[in-house]
Amino acid sequence: NAGVTQTPKFRVLKTGQSMTLLCAQDMNHEYMYWYRQDPGMGLRLIHYSVGEGTTAKGEVPDGYNVSRLKKQNFLLGLESAAPSQTSVYFCASTLEVVSTQYFGPGTRLTVL
Amino acid sequence: AQKVTQAQTEISVVEKEDVTLDCVYETRDTTYYLFWYKQPPSGELVFLIRRNSFDEQNEISGRYSWNFQKSTSSFNFTITASQVVDSAVYFCALGSRQLTFGSGTQLTVLP
Repeated sequence: NAGVTQTPKFRVLKTGQSMTLLCAQDMNHEYMYWYRQDPGMGLRLIHYSVGEGTTAKGEVPDGYNVSRLKKQNFLLGLESAAPSQTSVYFCASTLEVVSTQYFGPGTRLTVL
Repeated sequence: AQKVTQAQTEISVVEKEDVTLDCVYETRDTTYYLFWYKQPPSGELVFLIRRNSFDEQNEISGRYSWNFQKSTSSFNFTITASQVVDSAVYFCALGSRQLTFGSGTQLTVLP
């Protein structure tokens, strides 16, 4: 039981490049979330999903897209990376909407 | 809109001292949940506690205790006899449909 995993752990991009972050969970959780963590700002919700095939915007969705084609996977895409997207990205999942969220180890992304 | 305020940005204590981390929240929901997470220097987020809005009983788990006061919208976290391994960033979070995090408190426990 791996819990929540994230791929990759680190990535450096140039401005304008695109990439996809993968989040996978093996706990059969319905809800999945993508957050970004910036110094002094805690975690902010980017997008979330309440089930396979569904996605919704969070607090800071601009510049990101997501997809949940399979229940166990939640992908976060950056179509044209900008330096302002330099951050640590965390994925989380939970069984019910107000259950405890279990977090992945994070992805550190730097956009030059 | 929901809001979580952790006014203490950084706290430094000497080992074996007690320390309290403050958390004040705002919500219009009548049913909600409060959480504390720990983020050690290694970077992962570790779940500590979840409390629902109908349960105002204080909770103790080893050296950790939590004081939930609905009247003051606060959910404070106390570490008794702190240890160096307690050094981390601690986040308070509020949830009903989504989780809203505070900005975190960096706790440093000096030997």
